[in-house]
Amino acid sequence: DSGVTQTPKHLITATGQRVTLRCSPRSGDLSVYWYQQSLDQGLQFLIQYYNGEERAKGNILERFSAQQFPDLHSELNLSSLELGDSALYFCASSVSSPGDDGYTFGSGTRLTVV
Amino acid sequence: AQKITQTQPGMFVQEKEAVTLDCTYDTSDQSYGLFWYKQPSSGEMIFLIYQGSYDEQNATEGRYSLNFQKARKSANLVISASQLGDSAMYFCAMREGSQAGTALIFGKGTTLSVSS
Repeated sequence: DSGVTQTPKHLITATGQRVTLRCSPRSGDLSVYWYQQSLDQGLQFLIQYYNGEERAKGNILERFSAQQFPDLHSELNLSSLELGDSALYFCASSVSSPGDDGYTFGSGTRLTVV
Repeated sequence: AQKITQTQPGMFVQEKEAVTLDCTYDTSDQSYGLFWYKQPSSGEMIFLIYQGSYDEQNATEGRYSLNFQKARKSANLVISASQLGDSAMYFCAMREGSQAGTALIFGKGTTLSVSS
């Protein structure tokens, strides 16, 4: 157990639907990052939150949004889903000070859009 | 331009042999960090090794070592004495700057296959 919890592990939904992925960071970590890994692709950075506020944005579609709550858990909302959104979505968390192994990944949510 | 380049889509090695997975990076920052992660078929991301840009010694962690050549902007992963369990996808990643809480940028990965 890495300490980062992602739910659900698997999700199958239809095109046009909306889903919410949840992430609880490792205890003490203030930063949460969301990544998308499509088939045969590396991890694409989507968005980062730090202590409740958006810190950085990557290649996140307008149909996607995220937030971090006061208890530091984060949710990634994906709407108007398309077949191409099928991917493994990772959440990672890191400590608030520079570190080497300070990035811990959850086990991911595998989203299948049919 | 890509920040992290892994030019080997797939690598094949026999058990007990050493293998080098290539990674080159592009940054104008003086302070940065380089990471390698392993992703087995089960999907989780496993941290292997880290090298800071100011570290003078190459990082080592058990059978993993990072061949850091700053002038060439390369950070190759060397796995010694390969094992069947090393078969996985390997990702090189970079954190630019020295600020805490900076997102990692990943390469596209290299699939390593270890045979007996």
